[in-house]
Amino acid sequence: EAQVTQNPRYLITVTGKKLTVTCSQNMNHEYMSWYRQDPGLGLRQIYYSMNVEVTDKGDVPEGYKVSRKEKRNFPLILESPSPNQTSLYFCASSLLSGRAGDTQYFGPGTRLTVL
Amino acid sequence: QQPVQSPQAVILREGEDAVINCSSSKALYSVHWYRQKHGEAPVFLMILLKGGEQMRHEKISASFNEKKQQSSLYLTASQLSYSGTYFCGTEMGSNFGNEKLTFGTGTRLTIIP
Repeated sequence: EAQVTQNPRYLITVTGKKLTVTCSQNMNHEYMSWYRQDPGLGLRQIYYSMNVEVTDKGDVPEGYKVSRKEKRNFPLILESPSPNQTSLYFCASSLLSGRAGDTQYFGPGTRLTVL
Repeated sequence: QQPVQSPQAVILREGEDAVINCSSSKALYSVHWYRQKHGEAPVFLMILLKGGEQMRHEKISASFNEKKQQSSLYLTASQLSYSGTYFCGTEMGSNFGNEKLTFGTGTRLTIIP
């Protein structure tokens, strides 16, 4: 089944404790992206990647890191999480790079709470 | 630059029509429309490209006015299953897209029987 998976789905952590949210897709997609969703603010792009070893900042990259060492994986790293990073995070992928994507397939989301 | 969606919320009776607008102050290369149901991930509806045709997904269609940098989503004869929050995502650029997708804050659509 074609899908985007994220882990963990729920995470409660404390300020400053490094964490990684994994994202994997099995569709051989080139383009992958991370978004955060907050009430009243919609979806905001954090980072995106057009292919292996190619990443770029979205609209809200501060406090986040990403890497794209393999085509299928695009982990989101929070080196020192803070309470303002409490949010719902979505990973997404699409087939084509060079555009913001044809159909973007979203993962199920990761709800992160930073205390 | 985040696109502006209007209205923020709309309530319809089943079978009624609605229009959701998405506008930008910058030149747009493409506009994407997604629907998100409560507690679920956004689901792609359609993409409109600069110079492209009006698109359709079931009884939902959309247009892209390049001169106004605006896209409109038309929901015809709404069904209960159309309930959810609709987001437009815009990619800026004149001749090429800039590969960044910026979403609006969403329009919450409620369909009542």
